[in-house]
Amino acid sequence: EVQLVESGGGLVQPGRSLKLSCAASGFTFSDYNMAWVRQAPKKGLEWVATIIYDGSRTYYRDSVKGRFTISRDNAKSTLYLQMDSLRSEDTATYYCATQVRGYFDYWGQGVMVTVSS
Amino acid sequence: DIRMTQSPASLSASLGETVNIECLASEDIYSDLAWYQQKPGKSPQLLIYNANSLQNGVPSRFSGSGSGTQYSLKINSLQSEDVATYFCQQYNNYDTFGAGTKLELK
Repeated sequence: EVQLVESGGGLVQPGRSLKLSCAASGFTFSDYNMAWVRQAPKKGLEWVATIIYDGSRTYYRDSVKGRFTISRDNAKSTLYLQMDSLRSEDTATYYCATQVRGYFDYWGQGVMVTVSS
Repeated sequence: DIRMTQSPASLSASLGETVNIECLASEDIYSDLAWYQQKPGKSPQLLIYNANSLQNGVPSRFSGSGSGTQYSLKINSLQSEDVATYFCQQYNNYDTFGAGTKLELK
């Protein structure tokens, strides 16, 4: 059974940093492209970043470029999202998801990030 | 950026009814279109990909259709467990989602 478990969320002040993790199990992690998708409270879904299966390429939405870094450790079957210079508009539930062919096959349960002073 | 316009924003239907949700892309997305179901307090679940392919384990009362810029999700014989918010997503050029359709029981 595919399992994706996010961690690392919490309350952080504007301008500070936070690092999210997503532990994967039940599938061959190193075969899958992975992504982060977020959802602001009571709002819709927003793709954040994608990393290719071997970590060779990464893609970001414009609003997080230069502030967020997606990475992975295939030996540990873990996906990461380093979030720097956080803003109030980054407040959301962050989901990790598999993304083999563009769509998001499997999703984690999500982790809440609140950016507030 | 490709914009996805989803309609209606909310929908009220009776058990057993057929429901249609539409998504309009701002340009041709060549059937690179997925549909997701999100129940309250839960993460989204993939229902349909490539516009009309049913994800494993999804009931056959769900179906997708469309091409070019116009796509739709159809739910036949609405069940109580179908109460949720539904989102479309294009993945032809990066990834963008529709704003969602909240489906409630009448």
